[in-house]
Amino acid sequence: GIQVEQSPPDLILQEGANSTLRCNFSDSVNNLQWFHQNPWGQLINLFYIPSGTKQNGRLSATTVATERYSLLYISSSQTTDSGVYFCAVEAANYGQNFVFGPGTRLSVLP
Amino acid sequence: ETGVTQSPTHLIKTRGQQVTLRCSSQSGHNTVSWYQQALGQGPQFIFQYYREEENGRGNFPPRFSGLQFPNYSSELNVNALELDDSALYLCASSPGPLDEQYFGPGTRLTVT
Repeated sequence: GIQVEQSPPDLILQEGANSTLRCNFSDSVNNLQWFHQNPWGQLINLFYIPSGTKQNGRLSATTVATERYSLLYISSSQTTDSGVYFCAVEAANYGQNFVFGPGTRLSVLP
Repeated sequence: ETGVTQSPTHLIKTRGQQVTLRCSSQSGHNTVSWYQQALGQGPQFIFQYYREEENGRGNFPPRFSGLQFPNYSSELNVNALELDDSALYLCASSPGPLDEQYFGPGTRLTVT
């Protein structure tokens, strides 16, 4: 099946700093989403981005499908950005199976 | 517009028992997917239901089964519970099988 890798596994930032999270995947995808999981376990949709670039406030994402990676940018980070960020993909060749990466744990310090 | 809801929030069961978890999909969504998230890991796909039929299954044994009802709500049933079934169970709904998924708050199951 498709493999999904995320880097870095852990990231510690001071409030106000910028960061880039990366998601690599091993095959063509129909669907790619970025999520933020809060401390209570709720997965919050950030972007639905199988290709191209999108922006939402301080967050933006870019997926280069031909090179099989996606990037999530967080600018001017806030303590409320802390949590785990997941990339999840639906492979084009493996049926209805949404595969999550292992996540990046972000801690933003005041 | 009501989002995805799940019940119960928390549940404690004994090894060998059976459990049913419930999910109400977002209005206008006909597809529901279930995931298991063990502590410190990413969610793992269990199965998906589309218009009341199973539409894909992950690497889970047959004791994990599901249903989708005409109103597109769904149940996840787990028989013969094992200690390793302790996890957060997440439900997601989407307008269709390949569309953006929206997650509920999850049910935290503890098996003792």
